[in-house]
Formats: sequence, C-alpha cells, structure tokens
Amino acid sequence: DQQVKQNSPSLSVQEGRISILNCDYTNSMFDYFLWYKKYPAEGPTFLISISSIKDKNEDGRFTVFLNKSAKHLSLHIVPSQPGDSAVYFCAASADTGNQFYFGTGTSLTVIP
Amino acid sequence: DAGVIQSPRHEVTEMGQEVTLRCKPISGHNSLFWYRQTMMRGLELLIYFNNNVPIDDSGMPEDRFSAKMPNASFSTLKIQPSEPRDSAVYFCASTLGPIINSPLHFGNGTRLTVT
Repeated sequence: DQQVKQNSPSLSVQEGRISILNCDYTNSMFDYFLWYKKYPAEGPTFLISISSIKDKNEDGRFTVFLNKSAKHLSLHIVPSQPGDSAVYFCAASADTGNQFYFGTGTSLTVIP
Repeated sequence: DAGVIQSPRHEVTEMGQEVTLRCKPISGHNSLFWYRQTMMRGLELLIYFNNNVPIDDSGMPEDRFSAKMPNASFSTLKIQPSEPRDSAVYFCASTLGPIINSPLHFGNGTRLTVT
C-alpha cells in the first residue's frame, strides 16, 4: 500500500516557466518530507526537505510547499532549466519511525 | 568523500543463479538501506540496518532474499535462486544520525537482469 503517491508519471514544461510537481501522502504521522532528483544511471540525490512545523521552504529556484490538512506537498521549480530534466521522487518519514517512504516518481522534461 | 559505492553496476544472470550485490556506505554513516526501484512501485525499501544490525526486513519479498552487514563499511544483498521478476535496479543508501534530520545518500545502483 503506497503511503506516498505521485499521481503524475510525467510532466513537460517550457524552459523558463514554472514546474510544479505534486505529492500526496496518507499517513498523518509523517512529519518530515523530502524531494530527490534522479538522473538516468545515477542514484537519487537529495534536493530539498521540509518539516511539518513549516509550510514552505525555499532553496534557490526550488520551493517546497506543505499542506498538512490536505496531506499534500508540492515542489516548485522557477525558472525551469533543461538541466532540471530528471525523475523527481517525493519521500516522507515519521519521527516515531526510522525509514523513508518514497513515491513512484515524476519524470520532468524541460523543453529548451 | 567517495559517496556510497555499489558493485556491480550491471548484473545479467540466468534464472536460478545466485546473485550478490555489494555496498560500501559513506564512512561514518550508521544506517544503511537497500531499496529496489520498479516502475510500478517506485523505490521500495527492502531492509535497513542501524549500527550493522538489521532493524526491519519486512520489505524483503521472499526468503530468496537475504542481506548482511558484517561491519560498518560493507553490506551485501543476496538473491538465491534468482527469478526474472527480480529484474530491477537495486539501490543502497546510507545516512548518519536520526532519520528525521538526515537525508539518505544513495549509490548509483545495480541494474539486475535475470533471464
């Protein structure tokens, strides 16, 4: 049973525009959320995180928003660049647990 | 920092053969995770170790799968006998400290093909 869901397998965006990747979760105990980026033939690399005490975290062009009541988070990339083309995984963990739960990933293509 | 090192990068084997995947975590990290990536389920946790001790192996699909961590710098994931449905990319990841504050660092994975 997927506790973290990414319902959009793929997304295409024009260079310079905003990319919005979405993630939903079912476990209300989750309180730490992360986004990973994965290029082909490489392992996922950590991109940005947010704890449940916040509703927004920014790092350069990347912003993660958390809506706890909706059990939803999103990753915004502004402006999108061709180098951002990758698979993005959402992950979550609970303070009471000690493992991460990952979504199935969204493949982002930024068109030059 | 060399990062998490996995070997081999690719493994092609015939059904019924034994397969061993290897992982060297980042030095000083005390938690190690084995994940399997498939199209249908994304990244599935198979097993994780804390201070070399297996903590949760509930994600290991069958008794054909086993994992060991004999010391802080080495872990293996073994499949015996292998089956075509085991074909996937297997990732090892490590982290330091409480999970809540420590993102995982992944290796580049082993792509396993069982024919």
